[in-house]
Amino acid sequence: NAGVMQNPRHLVRRRGQEARLRCSPMKGHSHVYWYRQLPEEGLKFMVYLQKENIIDESGMPKERFSAEFPKEGPSILRIQQVVRGDSAAYFCASSRQGRETEAFFGQGTRLTVV
Amino acid sequence: AQSVAQPEDQVNVAEGNPLTVKCTYSVSGNPYLFWYVQYPNRGLQFLLKYITGDNLVKGSYGFEAEFNKSQTSFHLKKPSALVSDSALYFCAVSPLGGGKLIFGQGTELSVKP
Repeated sequence: NAGVMQNPRHLVRRRGQEARLRCSPMKGHSHVYWYRQLPEEGLKFMVYLQKENIIDESGMPKERFSAEFPKEGPSILRIQQVVRGDSAAYFCASSRQGRETEAFFGQGTRLTVV
Repeated sequence: AQSVAQPEDQVNVAEGNPLTVKCTYSVSGNPYLFWYVQYPNRGLQFLLKYITGDNLVKGSYGFEAEFNKSQTSFHLKKPSALVSDSALYFCAVSPLGGGKLIFGQGTELSVKP
């Protein structure tokens, strides 16, 4: 049973380009969460999605960032017009339905903006 | 504001000795509590959780955690540390359950032979 799969593992983008990060949840998991880990900081919640719905985006920056979890295919975190401050590790997690369930994390995508 | 505190940036322990990694939280209600471990350049691995019931929770790799409601703490413990336990440990709370988590800053555990 494969875990949470994220790709790419490493992504280098020039300032102003777009970054697309993909996340396939564990089999049987219908909830996806995105987190960002900035250098010298802990993990911060960004967005919570279910299939075709954004449930909670309270941690998303107001501009340039968007997320989706379509009916078919992986969840996508999209960052438009990247800036150096976007350089970070982005982690995806997934969980089953239910309040008492734990989230399982992918290995992360390390974004470097040059 | 809801928050999680891990007061020690680093904990150093000799192999074979007991270890404790501290965590306190400030969250209203009855939150769900978690510990995760992160190895270098890897994702987070789930160790254990407290939902309700017995205050001592047992998890993976011999780790356990003690929930103390009056002190709002959830310290991670292991009776005998291994060198392979060296990693970054995160305490997290979920105020409403599910995978939306508030993380502490992390504690670097170093176990020396």
